[in-house]
Formats: sequence, C-alpha cells, structure tokens
Amino acid sequence: AQSVTQLDSQVPVFEEAPVELRCNYSSSVSVYLFWYVQYPNQGLQLLLKYLSGSTLVKGINGFEAEFNKSQTSFHLRKPSVHISDTAEYFCAVPNNAGNMLTFGGGTRLMVKP
Amino acid sequence: NAGVTQTPKFRILKIGQSMTLQCTQDMNHNYMYWYRQDPGMGLKLIYYSVGAGITDKGEVPNGYNVSRSTTEDFPLRLELAAPSQTSVYFCASSYDGGGYEQYFGPGTRLTVT
Repeated sequence: AQSVTQLDSQVPVFEEAPVELRCNYSSSVSVYLFWYVQYPNQGLQLLLKYLSGSTLVKGINGFEAEFNKSQTSFHLRKPSVHISDTAEYFCAVPNNAGNMLTFGGGTRLMVKP
Repeated sequence: NAGVTQTPKFRILKIGQSMTLQCTQDMNHNYMYWYRQDPGMGLKLIYYSVGAGITDKGEVPNGYNVSRSTTEDFPLRLELAAPSQTSVYFCASSYDGGGYEQYFGPGTRLTVT
C-alpha cells in the first residue's frame, strides 16, 4: 500500500530563513504526490502536486518541492519564510486504485519574528 | 462558486445522541470524501463516494454512515455518539481520483461528552 512519512512533526524557524519540510513515500508503482497546507481553523488547500515531467515543482506562495525517485522523497522548500506561512503542512499520495489519498501525519511550521 | 460547504461549524453532543454532518459541493465533482482529523494524527478517511448512489468505506468507518443520493450532497451520519468521535471532520470533493486535487470544506468541530 502507498504511504507517506513526514519526518518532522514541528519545525520552528525564524522569519526570512529558509525551510525544508521532509516527506518520504513508499510505492512500487508510478507516483503522484501532493503537498497541502492547513492554516489555523481552516480546511486544507493544495500547495503543489507532482504528476509527471520535471522533478522540480513550483506551487503557491513561493513554495517548491523536488521529486526524488531514488530517495523516494518529495521534500517541500521555501527560500525565505514569512509569519503568514505558519500553518500545518501535509504530504499525501493516492492509493493504488487512485480512489483515495493517504496523508502523512503533518508538519507544523512555526515562523517566529 | 461556494466550493465545499459544511454545516454545522461546531457541535456538542452527549454520549448516545445522533447527528448528521452536512456537506455540499457545487463544482459537479464525482468524488466526495469524509475525513476526521485528530491532533498529531493527520487525516483519516472515513467514507468516500465515486458518484451518486456509490459509497465505500475508508480507514475508520466504524460508528458512521453515509449516503449519496445526489452529486452535490454527501451527509455523514453519527449514530450513538461516543467520546472517541470527538474530532474535527472535513468533507472534500474532487473531479476524479488519482492525480486530481481535492477541495476541502472548512470543517466541523464535534465534541462528544
């Protein structure tokens, strides 16, 4: 079965510093990968997704992620974070049948002034 | 478009009571989902539907029921509420499975005491 592991439950970082949120997946078939963001007291919204093609994927709000097949990773990065990036971030992968998403446990990004 | 709407936003139930969480989408999406979110546990899929009249269990279906009589609506029924059902519930929809983005509602915060 497809699964994702988010290696850090919390990541504190100072404003304007770079950040990387880590996600590893397990899959034996072709992979689609997603990052969703959840701002406080809101639902999730799509940040970016990898379906095929270029391994570097750009998303909203200056975030990007790199698909690395050999390391089975899909880490999320931003070169300079803002206070407004404080949120929970979820990595997700569809199951083999493609009829549901499996989410990682989430990483809480805390941006400090 | 309103997207995915959920009612109510908050609810407190006593043990043994029943209730229905409402979910409506206006994007003509085929797929709809119900998730629960517990702190530090990510999102767990309760039930999903791939079209009107078709529903199936997710990871954690016990204690819940769903129906999908129309494309737009996907209510979640809790029978005999238990404290373990205290959670935040999210409804989502997507045009199709696999690589298609899921759109989330704002959530319902349920407390069972």
